[in-house]
Amino acid sequence: NAGVTQTPKFRILKIGQSMTLQCAQDMNHNYMYWYRQDPGMGLKLIYYSVGAGITDKGEVPNGYNVSRSTTEDFPLRLELAAPSQTSVYFCASSYSYGYTFGSGTRLTVV
Amino acid sequence: TQLLEQSPQFLSIQEGENLTVYCNSSSVFSSLQWYRQEPGEGPVLLVTVVTGGEVKKLKRLTFQFGDARKDSSLHITAAQPGDTGLYLCAGSKNTDKLIFGTGTRLQVFP
Repeated sequence: NAGVTQTPKFRILKIGQSMTLQCAQDMNHNYMYWYRQDPGMGLKLIYYSVGAGITDKGEVPNGYNVSRSTTEDFPLRLELAAPSQTSVYFCASSYSYGYTFGSGTRLTVV
Repeated sequence: TQLLEQSPQFLSIQEGENLTVYCNSSSVFSSLQWYRQEPGEGPVLLVTVVTGGEVKKLKRLTFQFGDARKDSSLHITAAQPGDTGLYLCAGSKNTDKLIFGTGTRLQVFP
């Protein structure tokens, strides 16, 4: 099983550009999450979803949007990239306890 | 506001030493998890504890959940260079999202 797959692995954006970070899981998990991790820090929750068609804000949702049209996919959209969004982004999924994380997308906004 | 504080923030030790990492909160959690993260990768689940006072062992790692379910500790016996990484505790107040701690970066020198 692939688990949680994130693409791309690296990206450089200019200020004001938009992009979508892709996340797909093949474990039929209902719950999916997006976190950001700044250097040397823990993870902060951006958005999460408890099932297809249902999304909710986490701790730091400003500047981001999500959608969950299928159980498998949970893309994260940045509409107007800002330097403050430079970070490593992790997608995760879970069934009950215990999250499975993707390997991350390293985003730099210049 | 960071609900979960970890200490110490950084720890550098020699191979063979013992260490304890603490995860503290003023909030009660229904479950608490420990993850280890290596550079360039997502966090990987080590253990989940759900009962106050619970102790779980994973080879040389011992995890304990506080009686009041507000804190947890991770003890490593005879640390090895392979234990090097970022250790993250994460608490859940229900089953749909985790709040991560501030992280403890461990370096074990041969």
